[in-house]
This record gives sequence, C-alpha cells and structure tokens, in this order.
Amino acid sequence: AQRVTQPEKLLSVFKGAPVELKCNYSYSGSPELFWYVQYSRQRLQLLLRHISRESIKGFTADLNKGETSFHLKKPFAQEEDSAMYYCALGRGSTLGRLYFGRGTQLTVWP
Amino acid sequence: GAVVSQHPSRVICKSGTSVKIECRSLDFQATTMFWYRQFPKQSLMLMATSNEGSKATYEQGVEKDKFLINHASLTLSTLTVTSAHPEDSSFYICSANVPGQGYGFFGQGTRLTVV
Repeated sequence: AQRVTQPEKLLSVFKGAPVELKCNYSYSGSPELFWYVQYSRQRLQLLLRHISRESIKGFTADLNKGETSFHLKKPFAQEEDSAMYYCALGRGSTLGRLYFGRGTQLTVWP
Repeated sequence: GAVVSQHPSRVICKSGTSVKIECRSLDFQATTMFWYRQFPKQSLMLMATSNEGSKATYEQGVEKDKFLINHASLTLSTLTVTSAHPEDSSFYICSANVPGQGYGFFGQGTRLTVV
C-alpha cells in the first residue's frame, strides 16, 4: 500500500535559518512526488514536483529512492514561508490522483 | 493561470437532506477532476476520480450511493452528499488536471456542516 509520512506536525525556525521538512513514502511502483503549500486562508498550491527538479521560492526537493524520501529544503527561511506544507504521492496511472501526508505547519519567526 | 472554483464555499444543511457541491474549471476544460475530503487538522483523503462523460471511480471505503458524483461537462463536476448526517461534516476539496500545465490545481474548498 502507498503511504506518505511527514513526521513533523509542527516546525518552527527563525528567519534566515535553514529549514527542512521531511517526507518519506512507501510505494511499490515508480513514485511521482509533490510538495503542496497552503498559506493561511488560501487554497492548496503546487510548490514542487520531483520530475521538474526546479527551485520555487528558494525551495528544493530531491527524490532519494534509496531512502524513499523527498525532503523539502530551503537554505534561508523567510517569514512569508510560514504555511502548511503537504507532501503528496501520485498514484496509479491516472495523473492527479494524489495521496497526501498529514502536513507540516511551518512557522518562521522574525 | 488555471482556476478551479467551488461553490458554495460554506453550506449548512439539516440532517437527512442532500447537498450539492459544484467544482468548475473556469478557463480550461477538465476531463478529469478529483474530490478530496479533509477532516479538521488532518490530511486530504482522495474520495473519487470524476471522469467527464463516464462514471466516477471511487476509492476504497467511499460509499458510492452516499457521495454521488456527476461530471456532465468538461467544466463542471458535482458532488452530492445524499441523506447527510453530522459525521459527513467536513471540508470537501476538488482538483483538476490542466492540459499542458500539469495537474493538482485545487479549488478553494467547501465547508459542509450538517446539523
């Protein structure tokens, strides 16, 4: 069965500090992984997908198949990064069919 | 950019009644949409895949007769919660795939409260 684990429910860092949001997955097939962000009172937005290997708002994430991880990192956190972050696994042949982790609430203190 | 809109944003209904939630793609055609449910302080749970012109595909454990999904056009999918009960109270969110831009574009969600 597929599963996405985000071990930290809450994460707090100070502005300018590095931040890493952890995500581990289990999936028998070839995984497709995503990070979604939800700012206060806003809808869920796609932040990153592992296929594109891009950096958005300074965030990066590398898929590590050996460790079955897809951790989200940013070297210098900003206050505007405070949000709920969800790791998601694309499952099956239907694109967009996603299995979400429980989310990590990131707070960046000034 | 691609916009997915849900209506209503909030709805309160009496126990035993049915309530319909709409999910629209405003500036693109969506052959596939998805419905999720989110309990307070919990993650999103995929309920079903809505396919334009055909029957929805439900995830294991989701009652088909309870959560009726209709995707009659390329821009509209509806979720009807039939004979709603307080335990159906939740946040329902839809998403759509955008041709050429990828997938996972989410609506703003609908807060359903059954009293």
